[in-house]
Amino acid sequence: DQQVKQNSPSLSVQEGRISILNCDYTNSMFDYFLWYKKYPAEGPTFLISISSIKDKNEDGRFTVFLNKSAKHLSLHIVPSQPGDSAVYFCAASEGPNNLFFGTGTRLTVIP
Amino acid sequence: SAVISQKPSRDICQRGTSLTIQCQVDSQVTMMFWYRQQPGQSLTLIATANQGSEATYESGFVIDKFPISRPNLTFSTLTVSNMSPEDSSIYLCSGQGPPEAFFGQGTRLTVV
Repeated sequence: DQQVKQNSPSLSVQEGRISILNCDYTNSMFDYFLWYKKYPAEGPTFLISISSIKDKNEDGRFTVFLNKSAKHLSLHIVPSQPGDSAVYFCAASEGPNNLFFGTGTRLTVIP
Repeated sequence: SAVISQKPSRDICQRGTSLTIQCQVDSQVTMMFWYRQQPGQSLTLIATANQGSEATYESGFVIDKFPISRPNLTFSTLTVSNMSPEDSSIYLCSGQGPPEAFFGQGTRLTVV
């Protein structure tokens, strides 16, 4: 059973606009959430994270929002750039345990 | 952040043979994991590599098929044994802080 879900396999956004990637989870014990970015032929790279005691974390153009009651998190990228085109994975963990990953969303930023 | 070196980056293997993938972390991490990413699917955890003892395997993965070693805190190997075309996948090594996980560049395995 997939505990972390990304229901949109792909997203296309115009350069300069906002990209919003969504992620839902089912395990209410998850307390740490992360976003990873993956280019073809490379391993995922850590992007941004948020703990369950927060509802927002911002790092430059990237902001992650957490809605615990809805078991939903989202990644906002603004403004989107062509170099942001990649597959984005959300992940969640309970304490220091292994991460559970979503299936990924392929973001294409159109110049 | 940790830097993780994984090799080989890709290989094409004959069915029935075995391939060993190596993973080196540049700093000590508390946990090391091996993942598989099959086409169109998410990252699936194969096992947790335990230092000096047998790895902990997830459901659907067994030691005979995927033997793992971790002789010290910064090095681990995964062997894909008796390969079949269904084993064609990307295999990823991961080191976890906690809390973030850092990944190697992956090994793209094609079994023919």
